[in-house]
Amino acid sequence: KAGVTQTPRYLIKTRGQQVTLSCSPISGHRSVSWYQQTPGQGLQFLFEYFSETQRNKGNFPGRFSGRQFSNSRSEMNVSTLELGDSALYLCASSLAPGQGRGETQYFGPGTRLLVL
Amino acid sequence: GEDVEQSLFLSVREGDSSVINCTYTDSSSTYLYWYKQEPGAGLQLLTYIFSNMDMKQDQRLTVLLNKKDKHLSLRIADTQTGDSAIYFCAERRTGGFKTIFGAGTRLFVKA
Repeated sequence: KAGVTQTPRYLIKTRGQQVTLSCSPISGHRSVSWYQQTPGQGLQFLFEYFSETQRNKGNFPGRFSGRQFSNSRSEMNVSTLELGDSALYLCASSLAPGQGRGETQYFGPGTRLLVL
Repeated sequence: GEDVEQSLFLSVREGDSSVINCTYTDSSSTYLYWYKQEPGAGLQLLTYIFSNMDMKQDQRLTVLLNKKDKHLSLRIADTQTGDSAIYFCAERRTGGFKTIFGAGTRLFVKA
């Protein structure tokens, strides 16, 4: 079974631009979560989606948004990029909430975003 | 609060055992996880334990859970240089729609 895939793997943008990152979960997984990882702040939770609905959101500004499609694929968007948005963005998928170990998350390789 | 806390660094010699410690916050229905991250890569799930268990063993990995103290540990037997990585402890309350991660413990294995 294929793992979680994220595209693109690397991205360079300039301040003020916007970016869209994509995540395809493991087949059969219906929950997708997004995290931002930086050397200074560690791994920070962005949001979690299930059944096309955002179920929880971390403490990030409104420039960070996401969505989930009916096939469980997810995208996240960052508008008006700032230098501090440079990070590794990780996506994780799980089967479904409320199903015990079915909530175990499996991570993709990440998208490394550099904002100049 | 909802912090998961870990020590930041651990250095061991090849062949020794490594013990990485973590404290978590929620004593209710919770899964607790250990992930490994190598440079430039995503997080790899190593093992997990449910909050009603005391111990889980999987080859070289042993997870111990002290529910009273909300303390979780990961023991790696016969540590190898390939075990050098960052290890993350995480907790997830069932149905909580959020997994809380610690800051990660960087394990150095000296040959």
